[in-house]
Amino acid sequence: DVKVTQSSRYLVKRTGEKVFLECVQDMDHENMFWYRQDPGLGLRLIYFSYDVKMKEKGDIPEGYSVSREKKERFSLILESASTNQTSMYLCASSLLGGLGTGELFFGEGSRLTVL
Amino acid sequence: DAKTTQPNSMESNEEEPVHLPCNHSTISGTDYIHWYRQLPSQGPEYVIHGLTSNVNNRMASLAIAEDRKSSTLILHRATLRDAAVYYCILRRNTGKLIFGQGTTLQVKP
Repeated sequence: DVKVTQSSRYLVKRTGEKVFLECVQDMDHENMFWYRQDPGLGLRLIYFSYDVKMKEKGDIPEGYSVSREKKERFSLILESASTNQTSMYLCASSLLGGLGTGELFFGEGSRLTVL
Repeated sequence: DAKTTQPNSMESNEEEPVHLPCNHSTISGTDYIHWYRQLPSQGPEYVIHGLTSNVNNRMASLAIAEDRKSSTLILHRATLRDAAVYYCILRRNTGKLIFGQGTTLQVKP
């Protein structure tokens, strides 16, 4: 079975802390994505990557950075967590780099609470 | 950016067909139409996608309007396990996905 694994299902952090959310896929996919999901706002794209060491800003990149040192791993970093970053974070991957046909595979999500 | 518009919620009876509409009037020629669904406490799951022609798979059918400004996801016989939030998404060649608000489907026994 194909799999996208997010490192933590639930995290609680304090304002100002640095937070790492890790995502690993075992499908040799080129594309990887980070979304956040909030009630009433749906899924919003934070960053995506279509190759190792490549990254592109999504719709809401402010306050976030990403790292893709290996093809299978895409990390989302909150340099200084704030309460408005409390959310569900979803990682996804897809096979076809840069093309519109690829099916997305999502992880189960990481629910982050910032106090 | 092209956006999609879906009804907030819909209801269906078990074992009856369900037609979930989506408007995407600003779709561009290279955007693919994808549908995903999300069960509680899970990440979204791929359902179906298409470009211009109608598509069928084991989960559902996708009917795309001739002008591509709207599409309809068809569940042929709804079951209780089909109760979920259904997202209509435009997938661009850049890989960027534009999510709509989703339709919450309730299936009544």
